[in-house]
Parts: sequence; structure tokens; C-alpha cells
Amino acid sequence: DAKTTQPPSMDCAEGRAANLPCNHSTISGNEYVYWYRQIHSQGPQYIIHGLKNNETNEMASLIITEDRKSSTLILPHATLRDTAVYYCIVRVDGSGAGSYQLTFGKGTKLSVIP
Amino acid sequence: GAGVSQSPSNKVTEKGKDVELRCDPISGHTALYWYRQSLGQGLEFLIYFQGNSAPDKSGLPSDRFSAERTGGSVSTLTIQRTQQEDSAVYLCASSLFWQGSSYNEQFFGPGTRLTVL
Repeated sequence: DAKTTQPPSMDCAEGRAANLPCNHSTISGNEYVYWYRQIHSQGPQYIIHGLKNNETNEMASLIITEDRKSSTLILPHATLRDTAVYYCIVRVDGSGAGSYQLTFGKGTKLSVIP
Repeated sequence: GAGVSQSPSNKVTEKGKDVELRCDPISGHTALYWYRQSLGQGLEFLIYFQGNSAPDKSGLPSDRFSAERTGGSVSTLTIQRTQQEDSAVYLCASSLFWQGSSYNEQFFGPGTRLTVL
């Protein structure tokens, strides 16, 4: 699976949009971009994923550049409860045998400030 | 509905003792994963179970680590002769598994914090 690079930490004012970047310059054509987050003392939680089109759900938006070498997770109106470590993961998905384990790096620690 | 549960939530043991960690996945989830997270680190994959297939043990760090999944549901991770470097949070996750479908997210339990003295 391709390697990802994320800033170690970011701050965001409460109510503002949080934009979390991720570089994945070695991503291959069949690899998806996934985002999970981990709130302190809890297990990770799935947020969103995408291949090449931008995606949006009730939690966040995912913007993937046209060359797919980077992406940005957007939390449109950050709240204090969004303070967490955010992980960007790139891996192959789809059918076939084999496991689908996630490879987590150190992620970005997002602090939402009142 | 009920999520993934793990027990115990905390375990303190002495070096050299054996420990068993339990995971109850979400009902109907055929895929089950064990990960561990050392302090300040990302998650490290340990083992994966899918239905009746042979488990993927490629992430187990040593032969002191083993896991079972009985009846396709509950799983137990066993660490024999624990060492101080085994201290970590052990996380279990489960998911649906559909070949050829879109992504099935992994649902994580709260983890078991293991401390080896």
C-alpha cells in the first residue's frame, strides 16, 4: 500500500472549517484514500473514503486532486468533539482473497479550540 | 445496536505471565481484525479472520502471540510469557465482507489496555 504523509498536528477554531491535508504521491490507480479518526481513549472511527471523485457524507468532505497525489479532508464546522487524531490511509480495495487490514501512520492531531 | 466489545478494558500483568484478551464483534460481521497501538504510535495490524478461511497471521510479532475465533464470532488473543514491550492498547475491529462490493468500514472496539510490569 502507498505511503501517506500528514502534518503531525493542527489547530482549528470552533465553528470554522478544518482542512486536513494528506500527501500520497506514490498512490496507484486501484488504491483508495480512506480517512479514520481516533478520539482520545476510543477505537478509530471511519469517516469517509474515495477513489478519484470528491466525496461528501454527513461527517465530512473528501477532496482528491486530479492527479490523486494528495487529498484534503474537510470538516465544515468543527466542534470541540472533533478533537482527535485523523488518519489518512491508502490501500487497495475490491474483491479477491486476502485481508483488508488498515495501515495506520501517526496521523494528524487536530485540536479544536473554543 | 451493540458495537464491538472488548474485555477486559484494562489488564495489568507481571512479566512472564500469559494473558487472554477477548473480542465480541458486531453480530453478522464475518471479518475480524486485531491491531495493537503502542503509546504515541499508529495502529499495527496483528491478525485477520474471515469466515472459515485460514486466518492471516502475517502481523503477529512473535510466536508468543496467537488468536482464535470460535464459531465465527468471539475471538481471543493470547499472549504467552508477556514482556514489557507487549504493553499497548489492543484493538479489535469487525466488518462485513462482500467480495466485489464497495468498501465495508471497520468498526472498532474500545480496546484493552495491557500493562506488563
